[in-house]
Amino acid sequence: QSVLTQPPSASGTPGQRVTISCSGSGSNIGSNFVYWYQQLPGTAPKLLISRNNQRPSGVPDRFSGSNSGTSASLAISGLRSEDEADYYCAAWDDSLGGSRVVFGGGTKLTVL
Amino acid sequence: QVQLQESGPGLVKPSQTLSLTCTVSGDSIRSGFFYWNWIRQPAGKGLEWIGRFFASGSANYNPSLKSRVTISLDASKNQFSLKLSSVTAADAAVYYCARSVVAAMDYWGQGTLVTVSS
Repeated sequence: QSVLTQPPSASGTPGQRVTISCSGSGSNIGSNFVYWYQQLPGTAPKLLISRNNQRPSGVPDRFSGSNSGTSASLAISGLRSEDEADYYCAAWDDSLGGSRVVFGGGTKLTVL
Repeated sequence: QVQLQESGPGLVKPSQTLSLTCTVSGDSIRSGFFYWNWIRQPAGKGLEWIGRFFASGSANYNPSLKSRVTISLDASKNQFSLKLSSVTAADAAVYYCARSVVAAMDYWGQGTLVTVSS
C-alpha cells in the first residue's frame, strides 16, 4: 500500500491529452513539493517534473504538473507512442513516525 | 556528464547482509550540494525509497527499514554504499542509486538486480 495513491492505469490515443492523478495527505503533498518520474520499460526512472510544475532541461513542454491541496496531477498533451511508460509521483513526507521520500504506486500509461 | 553505477553481489542468502556500492563520476559526493540516495523496486512493483546520505555526514532512512539500513560515503573513491541486514525474500529487488535535491532525483544508476535465495 503506497502512501501516495495513483490510478494503476491510464490510456489515450496519439495526439490526445491525458492526466494522471496523485492523492496524498497534509504530511506530504499538502506541505511539500511533488515530483514526477517517467520509467520506460527496462530502464531507470527519469525526473520529469520537479517542485510541482518545473520541467528539467530536455523535458518537452507537453508534460506539465499541477497540484491543489493534497492532490497533484501530471498532464501529457499531444500524446505520442514514446510516452508509453510507467509514471510515478513522489514527495517528501513529514510523518510522526519519521520523514522520508514517498512514492505513488505508479500508473501504467498505454498509448492506443 | 554525471553518471552513477551500482555494483555488488547479485545473490544474497536469507538472513545475511546485502552490500551494494554506487560509484559516481562527473560530480564529487563531497560537494555538499546533493543527497546520495538508494531506491529499490521489486519485480513488477513500484519504487521504494531506502534512504539518503549527505556529505556533511547526516543521513535519513525510510522508517520501515531504518533498523536494518546503513548508508555511508567513501569520499576517497567517490562512492557511497548501502548495507541492508537480515535480508528476506521481500528484499529481492532492483536497487538503484540516485543523486537528489530533496526528492528531485535527477541522476540515476542503471540499477542492479539482487536476488535473495539460499
